Amino acid sequence: AQSVTQLGSHVSVSEGALVLLRCNYSSSVPPYLFWYVQYPNQGLQLLLKYTSAATLVKGINGFEAEFKKSETSFHLTKPSAHMSDAAEYFCAVSEGHAGNMLTFGGGTRLMVKP
Amino acid sequence: NAGVMQNPRHLVRRRGQEARLRCSPMKGHSHVYWYRQLPEEGLKFMVYLQKENIIDESGMPKERFSAEFPKEGPSILRIQQVVRGDSAAYFCASSPLGGGEDEQYFGPGTRLTVT
Repeated sequence: AQSVTQLGSHVSVSEGALVLLRCNYSSSVPPYLFWYVQYPNQGLQLLLKYTSAATLVKGINGFEAEFKKSETSFHLTKPSAHMSDAAEYFCAVSEGHAGNMLTFGGGTRLMVKP
Repeated sequence: NAGVMQNPRHLVRRRGQEARLRCSPMKGHSHVYWYRQLPEEGLKFMVYLQKENIIDESGMPKERFSAEFPKEGPSILRIQQVVRGDSAAYFCASSPLGGGEDEQYFGPGTRLTVT
């Protein structure tokens, strides 16, 4: 069975500061990992995904994430926060076989202070 | 290429009524997933469908909930005799291939309120 834990349901940073959102997963097989962003009253938009090609994955809007198998982690980072980054972020795992659903973490709400 | 469409965006039902939520996948996508997001929680998988087939319904409540994806037309999530605990945002996602590494594209969701 697969599961995802996002440490910190709320994270607050100042504009221009580093963003670090934590995600740890468990999976019985090599996983595929995803980060999605959700703006208020909207659906989810994919930021980036890990599919074993490279451990450092670059996504949209300046975000990136590093897959660390030894730590079973896939933390999301951005060097400099922008006000428009304020949203809810979800980490998700898929075990990769055909049609497998996504298992989501509980989400982290990012607040950016001016 | 239009994205995943869901309607209605907001739905209010009284306890005991039926709710029908519709999802039109992206053009060319034949794999549809439904997820539910309860207040202050992450998304939970409900059901995975391909055209005319339910592939995985392990996340569906055993009673009152059903889903279909007919040969023609949108996928439908149907909730009979709604209760207050059904109040949530319901998201549909579609993908082209259905593989585990395949990106799922999400619709804007239907927010169901049961009064």
